Amino acid sequence: SQQGEEDPQALSIQEGENATMNCSYKTSINNLQWYRQNSGRGLVHLILIRSNEREKHSGRLRVTLDTSKKSSSLLITASRAADTASYFCATDLPQGGSEKLVFGKGTKLTVNP
Amino acid sequence: DTGVSQNPRHKITKRGQNVTFRCDPISEHNRLYWYRQTLGQGPEFLTYFQNEAQLEKSRLLSDRFSAERPKGSFSTLEIQRTEQGDSAMYLCASSTRGISGRGGNEQFFGPGTRLTVL
Repeated sequence: SQQGEEDPQALSIQEGENATMNCSYKTSINNLQWYRQNSGRGLVHLILIRSNEREKHSGRLRVTLDTSKKSSSLLITASRAADTASYFCATDLPQGGSEKLVFGKGTKLTVNP
Repeated sequence: DTGVSQNPRHKITKRGQNVTFRCDPISEHNRLYWYRQTLGQGPEFLTYFQNEAQLEKSRLLSDRFSAERPKGSFSTLEIQRTEQGDSAMYLCASSTRGISGRGGNEQFFGPGTRLTVL
């Protein structure tokens, strides 16, 4: 079963605009990660935020985490056509739990030039 | 760093046939994972190895599925008596953690093997 749910399922914006994707999850976590997947390809790790962190930045990416609401958001600023991809959040369980990542269903982002 | 590689990239087979996929992880990574992804869904965990030991298996991994990592390097995933429901992208990932076990479990994914069962 999938723990995370991304929202929206699909998002279409113009180049230069910001894109915000949300992720909700069900159980306590150790870390939350965001991955990008271009059509028919493997996943690329974007950013990891630990359960004791609230916000993290990497280039044009900003991730927030609210453990009380069991939710996270990914903001991509000044989007580019090359950002067109599906974005997934993935969680792993607290230390001592499973090593697996549990993914959501993803948000399909289209950035129009 | 050559990244995670998977072979073949595509496999078309008839129902009832056996198939085997190979994954070569990043060389210094001791952890290797298999996931399955169907259209419109996120990857779902199948199994995980630390070195050569298979430490966790999902309930998705029926008796027809078997995975090995004989020397703690490359891994194979075999599906016996394939069914149409096995059609999916099979993704392999690898990672490494510090000795203390702390640190994030960032996983590095291969390009996947797309299986089509006719």
